[in-house]
Amino acid sequence: DQQVKQNSPSLSVQEGRISILNCDYTNSMFDYFLWYKKYPAEGPTFLISISSIKDKNEDGRFTVFLNKSAKHLSLHIVPSQPGDSAVYFCAASATGTGNQFYFGTGTSLTVIP
Amino acid sequence: NAGVMQNPRHLVRRRGQEARLRCSPMKGHSHVYWYRQLPEEGLKFMVYLQKENIIDESGMPKERFSAEFPKEGPSILRIQQVVRGDSAAYFCASSRGIMNTEAFFGQGTRLTVV
Repeated sequence: DQQVKQNSPSLSVQEGRISILNCDYTNSMFDYFLWYKKYPAEGPTFLISISSIKDKNEDGRFTVFLNKSAKHLSLHIVPSQPGDSAVYFCAASATGTGNQFYFGTGTSLTVIP
Repeated sequence: NAGVMQNPRHLVRRRGQEARLRCSPMKGHSHVYWYRQLPEEGLKFMVYLQKENIIDESGMPKERFSAEFPKEGPSILRIQQVVRGDSAAYFCASSRGIMNTEAFFGQGTRLTVV
């Protein structure tokens, strides 16, 4: 049972434009959400996170938005750069469930120069 | 400032052999997670451990797979009698286990069963 879903397996964006990666979850107990970036043959790298008490968190070119009522979060990358080309995973955890992280299946982003 | 260390990076085993994958968490981290990534798939949770305790092993296959995180030394993911379907990238992550903190990943071990 996939509790965290990324329905777009791939996304292509022109350099300089905005990349929007989406993630949906089913468990209303999730209260902490994270985005990871993964290059081939490397481990995932933590990118940005958001607590459920917020609806937006920004870090440089990366912004994560959380819509709790829709159980939806998104990662915005502005402006997109070729070095952003990677697989992006969203993850969620719930306080009280032992801090386990549930991952989506990933979205492969290609930024076209 | 070492991150999560996994070794070996690449492991080749013949069918029926045992595979041992090691993970040393980041300094100060007492929680370890193992994930498996099959080709063209996402990260699948396998097991979550604290020192000397298995917290959640709901993602572990019931047979041939085991994991430990002893008081001293790295966490070990052990696969007995490997089969071709075990070929995958295995990632370890660690965290402080405090509410609302991220987990950091190692570089992974790529297991190939021939």
